Amino acid sequence: AQSVTQLDSQVPVFEEAPVELRCNYSSSVSVYLFWYVQYPNQGLQLLLKYLSGSTLVKGINGFEAEFNKSQTSFHLRKPSVHISDTAEYFCAVSDRNDMRFGAGTRLTVKP
Amino acid sequence: NAGVMQNPRHLVRRRGQEARLRCSPMKGHSHVYWYRQLPEEGLKFMVYLQKENIIDESGMPKERFSAEFPKEGPSILRIQQVVRGDSAAYFCASSEGGVAVNEQFFGPGTRLTVL
Repeated sequence: AQSVTQLDSQVPVFEEAPVELRCNYSSSVSVYLFWYVQYPNQGLQLLLKYLSGSTLVKGINGFEAEFNKSQTSFHLRKPSVHISDTAEYFCAVSDRNDMRFGAGTRLTVKP
Repeated sequence: NAGVMQNPRHLVRRRGQEARLRCSPMKGHSHVYWYRQLPEEGLKFMVYLQKENIIDESGMPKERFSAEFPKEGPSILRIQQVVRGDSAAYFCASSEGGVAVNEQFFGPGTRLTVL
């Protein structure tokens, strides 16, 4: 069975600063990796996903993530954040049959 | 093409009552997933269904909770004899195929409050 650890529960950052949200996973089989964003009182939206191929994945809203197999990580990054990026971010891992989510990281962008 | 629909958006029940949460997947999607999100916690997988079949219910509490996805109509998550600890946001997601490579599209959630 796979599991996901998001190392930071909260990340405060100033507008236009870079940000990295960390995600580590464990699994005994090949996995697929996802980042989702949840705005207040809404469902989750897919930011990006890694299935195979290039380890650097680009997603929507200027986010990107890098799959590092040796470190079992899939950290999410953005070079310059906006106020509108304030939200909860979830890392998820799946094998063939089910998906597991991390506990989430609350990104707060301050002016 | 409407997204995943969930209703009601908010549901208030007293202890001991039943709660029924509905989820209509996106058009063309035959896979449905239910998740629970407790305050200040992440999403917890509950159950994965295809039409008329439960594929994985490893995240469902053994008692009081049940789910179905009939051939016609929405998927239903049913909670019998609700308790205060059931208060949470319940999210439904759907996908076109199996979970591994197919994006899950999420509904807006049902926020259940048990008084």
